[in-house]
Amino acid sequence: EVQLLESGGGLVQPGGSLGLSCAASRFSFINYAMTWVRQAPGKGLEWVSSIGAGDGSTTFYADFVKGRFTISRDNSKNTLYLQMNSLRAEDTAVYYCAKHIAGWLTGIHYWGQGALVTVSS
Amino acid sequence: DIVMTQSPDSLAVSLGERATINCKSSQSLLYNSNNKNYLNWYQQKPGQPPKLLISWASSRESGVPERFSGSGSGTDFSLTISRLQAEDVAVYYCQQCYSTPLTFGGGTKVEI
Repeated sequence: EVQLLESGGGLVQPGGSLGLSCAASRFSFINYAMTWVRQAPGKGLEWVSSIGAGDGSTTFYADFVKGRFTISRDNSKNTLYLQMNSLRAEDTAVYYCAKHIAGWLTGIHYWGQGALVTVSS
Repeated sequence: DIVMTQSPDSLAVSLGERATINCKSSQSLLYNSNNKNYLNWYQQKPGQPPKLLISWASSRESGVPERFSGSGSGTDFSLTISRLQAEDVAVYYCQQCYSTPLTFGGGTKVEI
């Protein structure tokens, strides 16, 4: 069974930075697009960013994180990353790491348990 | 951006009865070259991550009970739970993967 394990969540002050990691296992990580989706407390699902399979040279971002967040992958470590800078209170959410069925324009097949990011002073 | 609009926001259904959730996209999700609708349905139970139920509008994922079915094409889609079970209490989301930004509907809460 595919496993996705997020880490790096926590409390950060507005304007601060935080990095999330997602350790992937039990599938061929390099061959799949990966995505971050977030969910603010009591709210719905919101797509944050996606990265293509392979070398990760293809990336996409939601407008509300563009220029602040960076998605990347290290295929040698089977790990997905999300570097978050200039954090705002409205970025408070559970951040899910997720694997697509194939490319980024396919369903999201597997989800991690999520990492809580709280932006507050 | 493609806007996904779900209805209703919440739905109370008796055990064994049918539940139908609607999802409308602001533009067609049908890709003519392969005749596929780029529409997915997810189930999210409290305290859990979402689970993919249906992809390509009507293709049930492995292990998903047959009482779940997806239909529709173009801009109008539906998820039907034919005979509601207690374990189906959850929030259901539609999502388009036709283009980025990937977008989700607002969710439909299904209760008994």
